[in-house]
Amino acid sequence: QKEVEQNSGPLSVPEGAIASLNCTYSDRVSQSFFWYRQYSGKSPELIMSIYSNGDKEDGRFTAQLNKASQYVSLLIRDSQPSDSATYLCAVNGDGQAGTALIFGKGTTLSVSS
Amino acid sequence: SAVISQKPSRDICQRGTSLTIQCQVDSQVTMMFWYRQQPGQSLTLIATANQGSEATYESGFVIDKFPISRPNLTFSTLTVSNMSPEDSSIYLCSVGQGSQPQHFGDGTRLSIL
Repeated sequence: QKEVEQNSGPLSVPEGAIASLNCTYSDRVSQSFFWYRQYSGKSPELIMSIYSNGDKEDGRFTAQLNKASQYVSLLIRDSQPSDSATYLCAVNGDGQAGTALIFGKGTTLSVSS
Repeated sequence: SAVISQKPSRDICQRGTSLTIQCQVDSQVTMMFWYRQQPGQSLTLIATANQGSEATYESGFVIDKFPISRPNLTFSTLTVSNMSPEDSSIYLCSVGQGSQPQHFGDGTRLSIL
């Protein structure tokens, strides 16, 4: 059974702090890794994708991938109250491009002003 | 990224009835996916729909309950048949094209009375 694990939270951080969200996955052949943000009542919105080991930065967001440890993380710098949402880690299911995703249960982030 | 439109956006249905959800994409895509998100849960893949072939269903989902059509490269439908309260969920369509990340439609919020 291929699995993606996340701490459900809630993760609470003050405004301006760094939020760190973590994710582990079970299938070593996975090649594509994604972070989605989901506001309550809305559909998931892609915020980061990462395909190779190391860090990938986009604005206040940094995704980190370590395939040897089967670990993906998302850092949000200068957290804002508008970042309060559920963050879903997703991994492509069988290592092939364009295939279905396996989602973690999501981590709820709360940023207090 | 592709623009994905889902209809209806929400519905309230009586148990025992069926509802067909439509997913329209503004460009041709190879693969379309249908996910379910039950209240407070993450996304679970129902099936993968490729044009010109039968949909591939995940464990726990069957064609009689969730028939899917994929008549062309821009359109798919998911029918939720013989609905019960347990089918109350958000149903989401997404598309995959090669190594590109998947994006989601706005979803269909379904409540069964």
